Amino acid sequence: ETAVFQTPNYHVTQVGNEVSFNCKQTLGHDTMYWYKQDSKKLLKIMFSYNNKQLIVNETVPRRFSPQSSDKAHLNLRIKSVEPEDSAVYLCASSSWENQDTQYFGPGTRLLVL
Amino acid sequence: GDSVTQTEGQVTVSESKSLIINCTYSATSIGYPNLFWYVRYPGEGLQLLLKVITAGQKGSSRGFEATYNKEATSFHLQKASVQESDSAVYYCALSPSSNMGYKLTFGTGTSLLVDP
Repeated sequence: ETAVFQTPNYHVTQVGNEVSFNCKQTLGHDTMYWYKQDSKKLLKIMFSYNNKQLIVNETVPRRFSPQSSDKAHLNLRIKSVEPEDSAVYLCASSSWENQDTQYFGPGTRLLVL
Repeated sequence: GDSVTQTEGQVTVSESKSLIINCTYSATSIGYPNLFWYVRYPGEGLQLLLKVITAGQKGSSRGFEATYNKEATSFHLQKASVQESDSAVYYCALSPSSNMGYKLTFGTGTSLLVDP
C-alpha cells in the first residue's frame, strides 16, 4: 500500500525552465529525504529534513532547493534546469529514531531537453 | 566513502528454482555497518525487504535470506524457490548506524525476472 506519494510521475521540460516536484507521506514520519537516481541507477541523497529543518545538503547545486510546509510534505524545486538534471527523483521518509529504514515514493522522472 | 557493489544488473531465473544475488560492500566508518536489502516491485516505491545490524547474523523475509559476512564483506540475497511475484529490482544498501539515514548508500540494483 502506497504511503509516500509523489507528483508528477513524469515531466519533460526545456533547459532553463523551473520545475517543482511534490512529495507527501502519510506514515506519520518526521524525517524526509530526496534522492537522485541517475542513468547508471545509482541512488544519491540530496537532502534530508527533520521536522521541517534541513539537516543535510549533500553539496547539490544551488539551483535545487527543498521546501517543507510541515513534516508530512517535502517538495523539491529546481530553478533553471540543466541537461544533467535529467534523472529520477525519489522521495523517502522515516522516523527519526530509525532513519535507515526508509519508505520511498514511486519517483518523478525528469527529462530536460 | 562507503560503497556497495552488485555485479549483476539483471538475473533471469525459472520459477521454483533457487536464487542468489550478490552484494559486497566497503565501509569506511568505525565499526560494522548496518546492511539492508530493499526491493522495488513494478509500479511501487522502494521498500525494505530485510535488515541485519549484527555481523554474523542472518535476516529473512518473504522467503528471502541474507547473512552478514564481515570477513568477506558480503551480504548476498538468497531464496530457495522463487515465484513469479518475486520479479522486481533488488537493491543492497548499508548505513553506518540507525540514526544516520542520510548516509544510506545503495548499490545499483539487480533486476530479477522470474520465468513462469
